[in-house]
Amino acid sequence: GENVEQHPSTLSVQEGDSAVIKCTYSDSASNYFPWYKQELGKRPQLIIDIRSNVGEKKDQRIAVTLNKTAKHFSLHITETQPEDSAVYFCAASTGAAGNKLTFGGGTRVLVKP
Amino acid sequence: NAGVTQTPKFQVLKTGQSMTLQCAQDMNHEYMSWYRQDPGMGLRLIHYSVGAGITDQGEVPNGYNVSRSTTEDFPLRLLSAAPSQTSVYFCASSRQGRHTGELFFGEGSRLTVL
Repeated sequence: GENVEQHPSTLSVQEGDSAVIKCTYSDSASNYFPWYKQELGKRPQLIIDIRSNVGEKKDQRIAVTLNKTAKHFSLHITETQPEDSAVYFCAASTGAAGNKLTFGGGTRVLVKP
Repeated sequence: NAGVTQTPKFQVLKTGQSMTLQCAQDMNHEYMSWYRQDPGMGLRLIHYSVGAGITDQGEVPNGYNVSRSTTEDFPLRLLSAAPSQTSVYFCASSRQGRHTGELFFGEGSRLTVL
């Protein structure tokens, strides 16, 4: 089955700096790559996603890039703010079984004021 | 809409006891799933369902049972609780169509097995 690896496991940045989280996946049939944000004690929530027919997608301060040849995708957060402190999860899906997502292990991001 | 509702939010069990985690959604989503979240291991899929009457195993199904008699409900049963099942459990649902879409999560159920 699909295997998703996520790095780094923790990331500490100064407010205003950029943060980058990287994920690799194993199944070349995967075609949907979402990113979820989970604040402390809360449920995971979708922040951005990308499909395999697109190489990059932006939404204000966040962007995701996808390299299908290398089977990796990344989340970029620019001008980080304290409210960006959370755990971020990448995921991948082939779409073959409903919305069956395989998640990475998560990255704990701490934005220092 | 309430979205995805899970009960209970907290539960303590003794080894060998059984219990059911309830999950209900009011968004008419075809797809429902259960994940467990353990420190450093992300979210791992336990069981999922693509519609009423249809269920399938995920990555870590052992020790858990599910059923899907209605579109709205997807309960998770622990048959004989073990300390290794101490975790936070999330139910999630989504629409199902030609393109995979957003997964909506419940608030989570924290289970401790002594």
